[in-house]
Amino acid sequence: AQKITQTQPGMFVQEKEAVTLDCTYDTSDPSYGLFWYKQPSSGEMIFLIYQGSYDQQNATEGRYSLNFQKARKSANLVISASQLGDSAMYFCAMRAISNDMRFGAGTRLTVKP
Amino acid sequence: GAGVSQSPRYKVAKRGQDVALRCDPISGHVSLFWYQQALGQGPEFLTYFQNEAQLDKSGLPSDRFFAERPEGSVSTLKIQRTQQEDSAVYLCASSLAQISYNEQFFGPGTRLTVL
Repeated sequence: AQKITQTQPGMFVQEKEAVTLDCTYDTSDPSYGLFWYKQPSSGEMIFLIYQGSYDQQNATEGRYSLNFQKARKSANLVISASQLGDSAMYFCAMRAISNDMRFGAGTRLTVKP
Repeated sequence: GAGVSQSPRYKVAKRGQDVALRCDPISGHVSLFWYQQALGQGPEFLTYFQNEAQLDKSGLPSDRFFAERPEGSVSTLKIQRTQQEDSAVYLCASSLAQISYNEQFFGPGTRLTVL
């Protein structure tokens, strides 16, 4: 069975600082994808970044990077130079051969001015 | 064009009523997914379509839940005899490829409140 764990219900970060949101996963499938989504108060899920299980390099997308440690089964999201607009819920998700996406419980990030 | 659209955005139903939630995926997207998101939690998978075929409905919580996608584009999630525990946001997502690890594009969701 697949499982995604996000152990930080809430995080605070000062504007312009970097923050790391933790995510660990469990799967027996050798091939899978890891995703991070942002969900602002408006409710829409916004795709941020993707990491494939066979990718050799950590994924980066602008201010977002994914710290992928396969042996530890962790896929932490790093947001650099935080902005007030980054305040939102962040979900880690995994999709494997079964094809449905499994989400963690989420982390609420608050950026302080 | 656009993204995934859902209607209605908000729905209030009396317990026992039937409801129908609509999803318009991105044109050309083969895969369509429905999720249920309870307050303060992550989305939970309900069902998945590949074109008009419903390939996985393992996440549907009871036989009161039914989804269809008859022409492989628009999908409807129907909930019969709604109960208070059905109150949640229902998210629809679509994806380009049939079997892929590509991103899913989400709609804004329908917030269902059952009184």
